[in-house]
Amino acid sequence: EIVLTQSPATLSLSPGERATLSCRASQGVSSYIAWYQQKPGQAPRLLMYDASNRATGIPARFSGSGPGTDFTLTISSLEPEDFAVYYCQERSSRHTLTFGGGTKVEIK
Amino acid sequence: EVQLVESGGGLVQPGRSLRLSCAASGFRFDDYAMHWVRQAPGKGLEWVSGISWNNINIGYADSVKGRFIISRDNAKNSLYLQMTSLRAEDTALYYCAKDLYGSTSCLDYWGQGTLVTVSS
Repeated sequence: EIVLTQSPATLSLSPGERATLSCRASQGVSSYIAWYQQKPGQAPRLLMYDASNRATGIPARFSGSGPGTDFTLTISSLEPEDFAVYYCQERSSRHTLTFGGGTKVEIK
Repeated sequence: EVQLVESGGGLVQPGRSLRLSCAASGFRFDDYAMHWVRQAPGKGLEWVSGISWNNINIGYADSVKGRFIISRDNAKNSLYLQMTSLRAEDTALYYCAKDLYGSTSCLDYWGQGTLVTVSS
């Protein structure tokens, strides 16, 4: 079973700053990593899939890197609407999905 | 416009059963895999189960294996989750989500969720 560890748990930054979120897999997951954003009271929203592909409508300030076991979501310059919780997710060959524990990006 | 509307949640006693439904619209339902994801109050996301477009590939989280059954009716554009032997730790908001592809990959559209509370 693959375990995804996200770090840091909380990231305190100011608008305009760069955010770097990490997702480490317990074993290689190729490029099958997705990233989601969730705001309070809302359903999650897909940001990135296959590590580095932006989902429909996602701004260019969001980017992702991989593959292997260490994946990164970067927000180049934080906008006020970007303060939220971010989750990574992988898919396995056994038709299962796993989510990481999440990183909260909060206003400093 | 893609819409996913969950229903069937509520308060249920431990050990009892509940069936969740998800009505899908705005896309060709039988082309895509579908999933259930839950979120306990104040906690992170937990994938529960997924089913491929053709019902052939089905997966469950270890925490629900043997107790929950996922199914779909492509003629009715509907997804279901039959939950049995419910436990307090099953209390969560249950989301229905559409896969980006026909088999398990990632989730590009989500419903607003239906709340399941397991308590005596």
